Amino acid sequence: GENVEQHPSTLSVQEGDSAVIKCTYSDSASNYFPWYKQELGKRPQLIIDIRSNVGEKKDQRIAVTLNKTAKHFSLHITETQPEDSAVYFCASQGSLSGSARQLTFGSGTQLTVLP
Amino acid sequence: GAVVSQHPSRVICKSGTSVKIECRSLDFQATTMFWYRQFPKQSLMLMATSNEGSKATYEQGVEKDKFLINHASLTLSTLTVTSAHPEDSSFYICSALPGRNEQFFGPGTRLTVL
Repeated sequence: GENVEQHPSTLSVQEGDSAVIKCTYSDSASNYFPWYKQELGKRPQLIIDIRSNVGEKKDQRIAVTLNKTAKHFSLHITETQPEDSAVYFCASQGSLSGSARQLTFGSGTQLTVLP
Repeated sequence: GAVVSQHPSRVICKSGTSVKIECRSLDFQATTMFWYRQFPKQSLMLMATSNEGSKATYEQGVEKDKFLINHASLTLSTLTVTSAHPEDSSFYICSALPGRNEQFFGPGTRLTVL
């Protein structure tokens, strides 16, 4: 089955600096890669996603890049703010048929933005 | 976006009792729902895939007789933790797939077994 690895497990940055979180996946058939932000005791919130036919996607301060050949994708947060502090999870999903629609999550990154 | 609700949000029970958790898609029909378990400071681990009108598909290591899943309608899936023990204490989250890539998550249920 799919295996998703995420690094780093913890990340501290100064307010205003950038943060980068990286993930790798093992299944070349995976074609959808969402990123989630989860605050303590809350549900995961989708912050950005990318499909395998796109190399980069940006939404204001958040961007995601995908390298299909190397099977890795990254989350970039610029101009970080204290409210960006949370746990971030990457995930991968296969095609829309059968059990391949499952999400496989990375292990998570605790991001702390220091004021 | 689509809305998924979960009930209850918190439950405390005694060891040996059973607990039922409901997951509802409020504004869309979901033929497929997923159940996850999340222990403190860990990632979401898929427990099972719930399919409307058919048996759930369980992930390796998840006991189907202990975690009963029923997906009787296109808007409701239930997870029953039978004979709960303290090691079952966790955050249980469901999600629903309205047909597109994006999964919509419920708010989660914090289960504490005494």
